Amino acid sequence: QQQVKQSPQSLIVQKGGIPIINCAYENTAFDYFPWYQQFPGKGPALLIAIRPDVSEKKEGRFTISFNKSAKQFSLHIMDSQPGDSATYFCAAKNSGNTPLVFGKGTRLSVIA
Amino acid sequence: GAGVSQSPSNKVTEKGKDVELRCDPISGHTALYWYRQSLGQGLEFLIYFQGNSAPDKSGLPSDRFSAERTGGSVSTLTIQRTQQEDSAVYLCASSLGKHSDEQFFGPGTRLTVL
Repeated sequence: QQQVKQSPQSLIVQKGGIPIINCAYENTAFDYFPWYQQFPGKGPALLIAIRPDVSEKKEGRFTISFNKSAKQFSLHIMDSQPGDSATYFCAAKNSGNTPLVFGKGTRLSVIA
Repeated sequence: GAGVSQSPSNKVTEKGKDVELRCDPISGHTALYWYRQSLGQGLEFLIYFQGNSAPDKSGLPSDRFSAERTGGSVSTLTIQRTQQEDSAVYLCASSLGKHSDEQFFGPGTRLTVL
């Protein structure tokens, strides 16, 4: 049973475009939703995270939109750059020391 | 400050051999997690430590897998009698404490079982 479903698997956008990556979750007990960025040969790096009491969070060029009733959240990257080309993972977890449940990842390519 | 470190970065072993993977968490982080990243399976949770105890081992795929943590710091993941399906990147993450959700990952150990 896949608790966090992520789409698309891959995405190609032009420089300056706004890629959008979507995730849906099933467990209503989840209350922390992070996004991780991973470059080849590196570990995942925490990018931005949101809790269900807010509908949107922005950090620099990265924005999370959260829809609690639909159990969906998405990552938007404004003014995307070739350096943003990486694999992005959404995740979810219960509060406290509990493991992250990850989506399958989205490979983003930003072409100049 | 220093992040999570893992060693070795790469490990090639023969089927049937035992391997040990090491994780050094961020200083002061009491929670430590092991995950496995493999093609087609994404990132899967293996085991979680709070201090030196492991309250959640639910992700360990078989009894060939074990882990320990000493001194509330370094952790070792041991895989006995390795199989080809164990080939993956093993990732360690640490978190500040009982009420912290943020997990910070190390660079991983790429394990290849021939």
